[in-house]
Amino acid sequence: EAGVAQSPRYKIIEKRQSVAFWCNPISGHATLYWYQQILGQGPKLLIQFQNNGVVDDSQLPKDRFSAERLKGVDSTLKIQPAKLEDSAVYLCASSPRASGSDHSKNIQYFGAGTRLSVL
Amino acid sequence: AQKVTQAQTEISVVEKEDVTLDCVYETRDTTYYLFWYKQPPSGELVFLIRRNSFDEQNEISGRYSWNFQKSTSSFNFTITASQVVDSAVYFCALKMDSSYKLIFGSGTRLLVRP
Repeated sequence: EAGVAQSPRYKIIEKRQSVAFWCNPISGHATLYWYQQILGQGPKLLIQFQNNGVVDDSQLPKDRFSAERLKGVDSTLKIQPAKLEDSAVYLCASSPRASGSDHSKNIQYFGAGTRLSVL
Repeated sequence: AQKVTQAQTEISVVEKEDVTLDCVYETRDTTYYLFWYKQPPSGELVFLIRRNSFDEQNEISGRYSWNFQKSTSSFNFTITASQVVDSAVYFCALKMDSSYKLIFGSGTRLLVRP
Protein backbone atom coordinates (compact mmCIF):
# COMPACT_ATOMS: atom_id res chain seq x y z
CA GLU A 1 0.00 0.00 0.00
CA ALA A 2 1.44 3.37 -1.01
CA GLY A 3 2.01 5.84 1.79
CA VAL A 4 1.29 9.54 2.01
CA ALA A 5 3.03 11.37 -0.84
CA GLN A 6 4.26 14.94 -0.53
CA SER A 7 6.04 17.29 -2.88
CA PRO A 8 8.33 19.04 -3.15
CA ARG A 9 10.71 17.63 -0.52
CA TYR A 10 12.60 20.90 -0.20
CA LYS A 11 11.82 24.51 -1.03
CA ILE A 12 13.86 27.66 -0.56
CA ILE A 13 12.17 31.03 -1.07
CA GLU A 14 12.69 34.62 -0.07
CA LYS A 15 10.38 36.34 2.38
CA ARG A 16 7.22 37.79 0.88
CA GLN A 17 7.23 35.17 -1.89
CA SER A 18 4.50 32.56 -2.28
CA VAL A 19 4.85 28.81 -2.00
CA ALA A 20 2.57 25.79 -2.36
CA PHE A 21 2.86 22.25 -1.07
CA TRP A 22 1.04 19.21 -2.36
CA CYS A 23 -0.14 16.09 -0.55
CA ASN A 24 -1.70 12.86 -1.79
CA PRO A 25 -3.04 10.77 1.11
CA ILE A 26 -3.26 7.02 1.39
CA SER A 27 -5.95 5.71 -0.93
CA GLY A 28 -9.34 5.60 0.74
CA HIS A 29 -8.40 7.78 3.69
CA ALA A 30 -11.12 10.33 4.27
CA THR A 31 -9.30 12.52 6.77
CA LEU A 32 -6.28 14.64 5.85
CA TYR A 33 -4.15 16.80 8.11
CA TRP A 34 -1.47 19.43 7.63
CA TYR A 35 1.04 19.92 10.43
CA GLN A 36 3.84 22.45 10.88
CA GLN A 37 7.02 21.22 12.55
CA ILE A 38 9.47 23.92 13.55
CA LEU A 39 13.04 22.76 14.18
CA GLY A 40 13.38 21.19 17.61
CA GLN A 41 9.64 21.00 18.23
CA GLY A 42 6.87 18.50 17.77
CA PRO A 43 4.40 18.85 14.90
CA LYS A 44 1.47 21.23 15.41
CA LEU A 45 -1.82 20.82 13.58
CA LEU A 46 -2.63 23.57 11.08
CA ILE A 47 -5.76 22.21 9.44
CA GLN A 48 -7.84 19.04 9.24
CA PHE A 49 -10.12 17.97 6.38
CA GLN A 50 -12.83 15.34 6.40
CA ASN A 51 -13.31 14.52 2.72
CA ASN A 52 -13.35 18.01 1.17
CA GLY A 53 -14.69 19.85 4.20
CA VAL A 54 -12.65 21.66 6.86
CA VAL A 55 -13.06 20.17 10.35
CA ASP A 56 -10.51 22.25 12.25
CA ASP A 57 -8.50 25.23 11.05
CA SER A 58 -8.26 27.04 14.37
CA GLN A 59 -4.43 27.04 14.29
CA LEU A 60 -4.08 28.12 10.66
CA PRO A 61 -2.79 31.71 10.23
CA LYS A 62 -5.50 32.60 7.78
CA ASP A 63 -4.03 35.94 6.82
CA ARG A 64 -1.27 34.15 4.93
CA PHE A 65 -2.00 30.41 4.90
CA SER A 66 -4.68 28.67 2.88
CA ALA A 67 -5.47 25.06 2.12
CA GLU A 68 -7.89 23.19 -0.05
CA ARG A 69 -8.95 19.65 -0.79
CA LEU A 70 -11.34 20.18 -3.65
CA LYS A 71 -12.15 16.61 -4.68
CA GLY A 72 -11.68 15.03 -1.28
CA VAL A 73 -8.43 13.35 -2.27
CA ASP A 74 -5.22 15.35 -2.65
CA SER A 75 -4.64 18.68 -0.96
CA THR A 76 -2.63 21.85 -1.41
CA LEU A 77 -1.29 24.12 1.33
CA LYS A 78 -0.27 27.63 0.30
CA ILE A 79 1.62 30.41 2.05
CA GLN A 80 1.33 33.93 0.67
CA PRO A 81 3.34 35.96 1.54
CA ALA A 82 5.92 33.91 3.43
CA LYS A 83 7.67 35.19 6.55
CA LEU A 84 10.98 34.12 8.05
CA GLU A 85 9.17 32.35 10.90
CA ASP A 86 7.40 30.08 8.40
CA SER A 87 10.65 28.13 7.97
CA ALA A 88 9.69 24.63 9.05
CA VAL A 89 8.81 21.16 7.83
CA TYR A 90 5.23 20.86 6.63
CA LEU A 91 3.89 17.39 7.21
CA CYS A 92 0.79 15.88 5.70
CA ALA A 93 -0.99 12.97 7.34
CA SER A 94 -4.08 10.92 6.59
CA SER A 95 -6.31 8.54 8.49
CA PRO A 96 -9.26 6.31 7.72
CA ARG A 97 -12.69 7.65 8.46
CA ALA A 98 -13.82 6.47 11.88
CA SER A 99 -17.42 5.30 12.04
CA GLY A 100 -19.74 7.54 14.02
CA SER A 101 -17.96 8.97 17.03
CA ASP A 102 -15.50 6.12 17.27
CA HIS A 103 -12.16 7.85 17.26
CA SER A 104 -10.34 4.87 18.67
CA LYS A 105 -9.36 3.50 15.29
CA ASN A 106 -7.96 6.78 14.10
CA ILE A 107 -4.23 6.34 13.47
CA GLN A 108 -2.58 9.08 11.48
CA TYR A 109 -0.02 8.10 8.85
CA PHE A 110 2.48 10.73 7.84
CA GLY A 111 4.34 11.67 4.70
CA ALA A 112 8.02 12.64 4.62
CA GLY A 113 7.21 16.34 4.65
CA THR A 114 8.33 19.43 2.77
CA ARG A 115 11.21 21.35 4.31
CA LEU A 116 10.69 25.07 3.73
CA SER A 117 13.46 27.63 4.20
CA VAL A 118 12.45 31.29 4.02
CA LEU A 119 15.43 33.62 3.54
CA ALA B 1 -5.39 22.05 28.91
CA GLN B 2 -3.70 19.07 27.31
CA LYS B 3 0.06 18.83 27.19
CA VAL B 4 2.82 16.31 26.51
CA THR B 5 6.28 16.69 28.02
CA GLN B 6 9.38 14.86 26.85
CA ALA B 7 12.03 16.18 29.19
CA GLN B 8 14.93 14.35 27.54
CA THR B 9 16.07 16.43 24.59
CA GLU B 10 18.81 14.08 23.47
CA ILE B 11 20.10 10.70 24.58
CA SER B 12 23.28 9.01 23.41
CA VAL B 13 23.95 5.32 24.03
CA VAL B 14 26.30 2.67 22.77
CA GLU B 15 24.85 -0.11 20.67
CA LYS B 16 23.29 -2.97 22.67
CA GLU B 17 22.53 -0.76 25.66
CA ASP B 18 18.93 -0.49 26.86
CA VAL B 19 17.40 2.97 26.75
CA THR B 20 14.16 4.45 28.12
CA LEU B 21 12.46 7.49 26.65
CA ASP B 22 10.19 9.33 29.07
CA CYS B 23 6.79 10.82 28.30
CA VAL B 24 4.54 12.67 30.75
CA TYR B 25 1.11 13.92 29.73
CA GLU B 26 -1.55 16.21 31.13
CA THR B 27 -5.28 15.96 30.54
CA ARG B 28 -8.49 16.13 32.56
CA ASP B 29 -10.33 13.85 30.16
CA THR B 30 -10.97 10.28 31.26
CA THR B 31 -10.86 8.84 27.75
CA TYR B 32 -7.79 9.54 25.69
CA TYR B 33 -5.16 7.83 23.55
CA LEU B 34 -1.38 7.89 23.70
CA PHE B 35 0.96 7.34 20.80
CA TRP B 36 4.64 6.97 20.02
CA TYR B 37 6.05 7.91 16.63
CA LYS B 38 9.58 7.55 15.28
CA GLN B 39 11.06 10.20 12.96
CA PRO B 40 14.19 8.93 11.20
CA PRO B 41 16.44 11.31 9.24
CA SER B 42 14.23 10.81 6.18
CA GLY B 43 11.63 12.92 7.96
CA GLU B 44 8.58 10.68 7.85
CA LEU B 45 6.83 10.04 11.17
CA VAL B 46 6.43 6.31 11.62
CA PHE B 47 3.63 5.06 13.86
CA LEU B 48 4.85 2.72 16.61
CA ILE B 49 2.02 2.22 19.11
CA ARG B 50 -1.34 3.49 20.36
CA ARG B 51 -2.76 2.88 23.86
CA ASN B 52 -6.12 3.92 25.21
CA SER B 53 -6.58 5.28 28.70
CA PHE B 54 -8.44 2.21 29.93
CA ASP B 55 -5.73 -0.23 29.05
CA GLU B 56 -2.77 0.00 31.40
CA GLN B 57 -1.24 -3.29 30.37
CA ASN B 58 2.36 -2.98 29.37
CA GLU B 59 3.13 -3.96 25.81
CA ILE B 60 6.13 -5.61 24.24
CA SER B 61 6.90 -5.78 20.55
CA GLY B 62 10.26 -7.31 19.79
CA ARG B 63 12.92 -5.04 21.30
CA TYR B 64 10.35 -2.34 22.06
CA SER B 65 8.27 -2.12 25.22
CA TRP B 66 5.93 0.47 26.65
CA ASN B 67 5.04 1.19 30.28
CA PHE B 68 1.76 3.08 30.77
CA GLN B 69 1.07 4.35 34.31
CA LYS B 70 -2.00 6.50 34.83
CA SER B 71 -1.02 7.19 38.45
CA THR B 72 1.99 9.17 37.26
CA SER B 73 0.55 10.22 33.86
CA SER B 74 3.45 8.59 32.11
CA PHE B 75 3.85 6.50 28.99
CA ASN B 76 7.49 5.50 28.76
CA PHE B 77 9.17 3.70 25.88
CA THR B 78 12.08 1.29 26.30
CA ILE B 79 14.32 -0.06 23.57
CA THR B 80 16.21 -3.17 24.60
CA ALA B 81 19.59 -3.95 23.04
CA SER B 82 19.59 -0.76 20.98
CA GLN B 83 20.86 -0.75 17.42
CA VAL B 84 22.30 1.98 15.22
CA VAL B 85 19.09 1.88 13.13
CA ASP B 86 17.17 3.00 16.20
CA SER B 87 18.80 6.43 15.88
CA ALA B 88 15.95 8.89 15.30
CA VAL B 89 13.76 11.45 17.00
CA TYR B 90 10.94 9.86 18.98
CA PHE B 91 7.69 11.68 19.66
CA CYS B 92 5.04 10.94 22.23
CA ALA B 93 1.54 12.24 21.41
CA LEU B 94 -1.85 12.55 23.09
CA LYS B 95 -5.30 12.48 21.51
CA MET B 96 -8.62 13.18 23.19
CA ASP B 97 -11.55 10.90 22.52
CA SER B 98 -13.57 13.84 21.21
CA SER B 99 -11.02 14.95 18.66
CA TYR B 100 -8.79 13.70 15.86
CA LYS B 101 -6.06 16.17 16.82
CA LEU B 102 -2.68 14.83 17.97
CA ILE B 103 -0.82 16.85 20.61
CA PHE B 104 2.87 16.11 20.33
CA GLY B 105 5.72 16.47 22.79
CA SER B 106 8.91 18.17 21.68
CA GLY B 107 10.61 14.88 20.93
CA THR B 108 13.70 13.02 22.16
CA ARG B 109 16.63 12.59 19.81
CA LEU B 110 18.21 9.17 20.28
CA LEU B 111 21.71 8.54 19.00
CA VAL B 112 22.94 4.95 19.07
CA ARG B 113 26.69 4.76 18.54
CA PRO B 114 28.34 1.62 17.17
